[in-house]
Amino acid sequence: ETGVTQTPRHLVMGMTNKKSLKCEQHLGHNAMYWYKQSAKKPLELMFVYNFKEQTENNSVPSRFSPECPNSSHLFLHLHTLQPEDSALYLCASSYSLGLAGGPRTDTQYFGPGTRLTVL
Amino acid sequence: DAKTTQPTSMDCAEGRAANLPCNHSTISGNEYVYWYRQIHSQGPQYIIHGLKNNETNEMASLIITEDRKSSTLILPHATLRDTAVYYCIVRLMGIQGAQKLVFGQGTRLTINP
Repeated sequence: ETGVTQTPRHLVMGMTNKKSLKCEQHLGHNAMYWYKQSAKKPLELMFVYNFKEQTENNSVPSRFSPECPNSSHLFLHLHTLQPEDSALYLCASSYSLGLAGGPRTDTQYFGPGTRLTVL
Repeated sequence: DAKTTQPTSMDCAEGRAANLPCNHSTISGNEYVYWYRQIHSQGPQYIIHGLKNNETNEMASLIITEDRKSSTLILPHATLRDTAVYYCIVRLMGIQGAQKLVFGQGTRLTINP
């Protein structure tokens, strides 16, 4: 257990469905990340949130909509997905380094992932 | 972030030391070397990281060459549960804010009984 949980672990959805992936971290971190891992491809970053503010969107299509209501929770809302969106979706969290003082390491810790299949 | 080069795959006998190399010849002075591993269809697991000194923890040892252009992750007594894809990542540290990780293809390590 890394202190980062993801639900559901497996999800099958049709192209017209709307679903949400949830990530929760119990590590006191203030940065959260969504990564995508398609079959036989490296992990690729989707979104970064720092203190609830989105700081990076890696050219992700609008059918993926992230939400970060607080530093402990991160959601990925899905609508009108395509079969090629089938992948392992991974959440991670870390400390976020500040200007002075604070944590000295921003090592990222990953959740177990949600295996998404779009039919 | 600097690019890393790793062998595509490696084999190791159970109980022996597994030595996984990584080349990062363009690493800069404020970039750290990170190692993660991913067991099939699970989330990546943090192993160890270092700047220039050798590091050891309960999982592994990290040996970084003096010129910092390459490193080796050592699993001292490999078990079947160490079979995974191992990722060597070089990234800046000390930068304000949240920093992404850039994953390559990694090394697929197979531990054989």
